[in-house]
Amino acid sequence: KAGVTQTPRYLIKTRGQQVTLSCSPISGHRSVSWYQQTPGQGLQFLFEYFSETQRNKGNFPGRFSGRQFSNSRSEMNVSTLELGDSALYLCASSGPGTGENSPLHFGNGTRLTVT
Amino acid sequence: ILNVEQSPQSLHVQEGDSTNFTCSFPSSNFYALHWYRWETAKSPEALFVMTLNGDEKKKGRISATLNTKEGYSYLYIKGSQPEDSATYLCAPLTGANNLFFGTGTRLTVIP
Repeated sequence: KAGVTQTPRYLIKTRGQQVTLSCSPISGHRSVSWYQQTPGQGLQFLFEYFSETQRNKGNFPGRFSGRQFSNSRSEMNVSTLELGDSALYLCASSGPGTGENSPLHFGNGTRLTVT
Repeated sequence: ILNVEQSPQSLHVQEGDSTNFTCSFPSSNFYALHWYRWETAKSPEALFVMTLNGDEKKKGRISATLNTKEGYSYLYIKGSQPEDSATYLCAPLTGANNLFFGTGTRLTVIP
């Protein structure tokens, strides 16, 4: 069974630009979560989607948005990039079913550098 | 926002030693407690999902206990091996897959 796939692995963007990250969950998993890790910080929850609906959102500005498609693939978008957005962005899927109380399966992440 | 504390921040042990780490979290609004292992250059890997007070889980040489009333969990590694070297993360679950991760305990096992 293929794992969680995130693309691209690395991205370099300039301040003010926008970026879209992609995540394909494990087949059969309908819950997809996004996390951000910056140096010295733990993984911070961005948002979670289930069946194309955002069920939960972390404490991030509105520049961070996401969506989920009918095949459970998810995208995360960051607009008007700031230097502080440089981080490792991890996507995780869980399931089957609603995914609650199931472990998260993480992708390898996208490392975003904003210059 | 939950304050999740893990201690120690880092730990060096000799191969064969047993060790344990602590995860402390507010005990209210709690659904489950997750433990993950994160090796360098890899993605975090789930170890345990614990839901019940007094729960104890075991996976090979690694085990974990949970006290939801007082808000802590212990992770134990028996007979540490170099391949156990990783950062161990705990995360209480407070909503739909809303996990609040601690900053982790970085374990280095010296051969």
